[in-house]
Amino acid sequence: AQTVTQSQPEMSVQEAETVTLSCTYDTSESNYYLFWYKQPPSRQMILVIRQEAYKQQNATENRFSVNFQKAAKSFSLKISDSQLGDTAMYFCAFMNYAGKSTFGDGTTLTVKP
Amino acid sequence: NAGVTQTPKFQVLKTGQSMTLQCAQDMNHEYMSWYRQDPGMGLRLIHYSVGAGITDQGEVPNGYNVSRSTTEDFPLRLLSAAPSQTSVYFCASRLGGNQPQHFGDGTRLSIL
Repeated sequence: AQTVTQSQPEMSVQEAETVTLSCTYDTSESNYYLFWYKQPPSRQMILVIRQEAYKQQNATENRFSVNFQKAAKSFSLKISDSQLGDTAMYFCAFMNYAGKSTFGDGTTLTVKP
Repeated sequence: NAGVTQTPKFQVLKTGQSMTLQCAQDMNHEYMSWYRQDPGMGLRLIHYSVGAGITDQGEVPNGYNVSRSTTEDFPLRLLSAAPSQTSVYFCASRLGGNQPQHFGDGTRLSIL
């Protein structure tokens, strides 16, 4: 069974600054996918970024990037130039090739003006 | 395209009642999943399906049944509702491979 741990229940950052959210996972599988999802107060689940475990290059999507360390089983999310609209709960998720997903308990991020 | 549609959005049940949460997607996705989200927690997988006629249990399957007779629909049945099943339920679908999940807007279920 896989586990996903987000060790920071809450974080805050000033607008325009950079923040990093942590995620570690445990699995015996060698091939899998990792995702970060955002859940604003509207409760929608929105994809932020994804990473395939076989790719060494870290994924980047505009202001969002990851630091993927496969050996350490770490998958952190960096948000640059934070904006008020980034305020949300962020979930790290593991998915194996059979399509079975495990989510962390989330990090609530508040961006302060 | 409507994406993933969940009905109802809100429901209140009494202990012991049964009901079905509906989930439909119009993207021809093979993979569909049901999750529950309790306050302050992440999503926990209840059941999932990798195609019509194929379902499997997730992390918290007890008290729930699913079936997948068509690619489009993946209903979740509560057999005998219990207060511990009070939660927000999300349905998701995805195409497969490295494609991410598309989520419905959720169903808030309260069991008294």
